[in-house]
Amino acid sequence: GAVVSQHPSRVICKSGTSVKIECRSLDFQATTMFWYRQFPKQSLMLMATSNEGSKATYEQGVEKDKFLINHASLTLSTLTVTSAHPEDSSFYICSARSPSGGSTDTQYFGPGTRLTVL
Amino acid sequence: SQQGEEDPQALSIQEGENATMNCSYKTSINNLQWYRQNSGRGLVHLILIRSNEREKHSGRLRVTLDTSKKSSSLLITASRAADTASYFCATRETSGSRLTFGEGTQLTVNP
Repeated sequence: GAVVSQHPSRVICKSGTSVKIECRSLDFQATTMFWYRQFPKQSLMLMATSNEGSKATYEQGVEKDKFLINHASLTLSTLTVTSAHPEDSSFYICSARSPSGGSTDTQYFGPGTRLTVL
Repeated sequence: SQQGEEDPQALSIQEGENATMNCSYKTSINNLQWYRQNSGRGLVHLILIRSNEREKHSGRLRVTLDTSKKSSSLLITASRAADTASYFCATRETSGSRLTFGEGTQLTVNP
């Protein structure tokens, strides 16, 4: 099946710094990528939907100036957590939807990035 | 807010037993999907059932969908210790492209 990678897998940073997380679709072109956030023992919460070449659509309550999303190519989307604080510590997961869509409608998930802000 | 609600939140069984997890949702859907997540890892897609389907099988997995009750169930037969993980249902709404996840069921299969 299709593969989605994330980098880094784990990052620890100091409060106030910015962290960039990359999401790549390795063997297909993803016109749409999604960013999720997951706190321990909780479900995935959709943060934003990213379409190649256009601005991301953020979910209610997600600060677009804090979580900057760039989807400059069909295989790469980045999430930058700006001025990170301890409460931003979480597991961030990206996902790419196969462009075939329709009845196949498979969304492929990256392995996640564990962010710890000290 | 999460559309899906799952029960039970946690399930502990012995190897060889069957495990059943349920999921309910609120809006009209295009399809419903089940995912598995091992602790601290990414999600693995298990099975997709379309809104016009009622039952689907894949290996030891059996999924049912009742659109009149807006509910689905995932049955894992002859469970193994390696099945220990969190299982999430996710719905693709007819109105958009968002995939909304349920709260998840933590399954523990004891050897």
